[in-house]
Amino acid sequence: GAVVSQHPSRVICKSGTSVKIECRSLDFQATTMFWYRQFPKQSLMLMATSNEGSKATYEQGVEKDKFLINHASLTLSTLTVTSAHPEDSSFYICSAFGTSGLAYEQYFGPGTRLTVT
Amino acid sequence: GEDVEQSLFLSVREGDSSVINCTYTDSSSTYLYWYKQEPGAGLQLLTYIFSNMDMKQDQRLTVLLNKKDKHLSLRIADTQTGDSAIYFCAEIPNQGGKLIFGQGTELSVKP
Repeated sequence: GAVVSQHPSRVICKSGTSVKIECRSLDFQATTMFWYRQFPKQSLMLMATSNEGSKATYEQGVEKDKFLINHASLTLSTLTVTSAHPEDSSFYICSAFGTSGLAYEQYFGPGTRLTVT
Repeated sequence: GEDVEQSLFLSVREGDSSVINCTYTDSSSTYLYWYKQEPGAGLQLLTYIFSNMDMKQDQRLTVLLNKKDKHLSLRIADTQTGDSAIYFCAEIPNQGGKLIFGQGTELSVKP
């Protein structure tokens, strides 16, 4: 299947700073990527849909000014957590459609563990 | 509305079959999925089934779909310790691609 990477895999930052997480489709172009958040022992919560060349669509309750999403190219979407606080500590996972664009070819990155101290 | 539910835990002995169940509410879902998540890792697509199918078999995995009852199950034959993980059922209710996940079932395989 298609490969999606994330960088970094783990990051620790101080409260009040910003941190950027990258999501890359390595062997295919992804016009649409998704960002999810997962708390320990819980399911994935969709945060936003990232569309190449346009603004992201955020799910209800997700602060778009706090979680900035940029999808500047067909292989890269970034999530920036601004002014991070300890409650933002979580596991962030991105996903992307495969080359066919069919809904069932959605592949996930390995995730980024964010810890805010 | 969109809702997917799973039981939270399942414990089996190595070599037995595991059956993980899932119910969903959106009858318009075209695709239904099973993902596997190992500790600290992302999600691995195990298998999927189109809504016009009743069953799909892929090596040790068998997916059964009962559209009338909106019930999906994943059977793992000859379960191994390496199958220990969290299994998520998911659906895509429309063409937008937004996946709706269940809570995940933690499968524990005892030797």
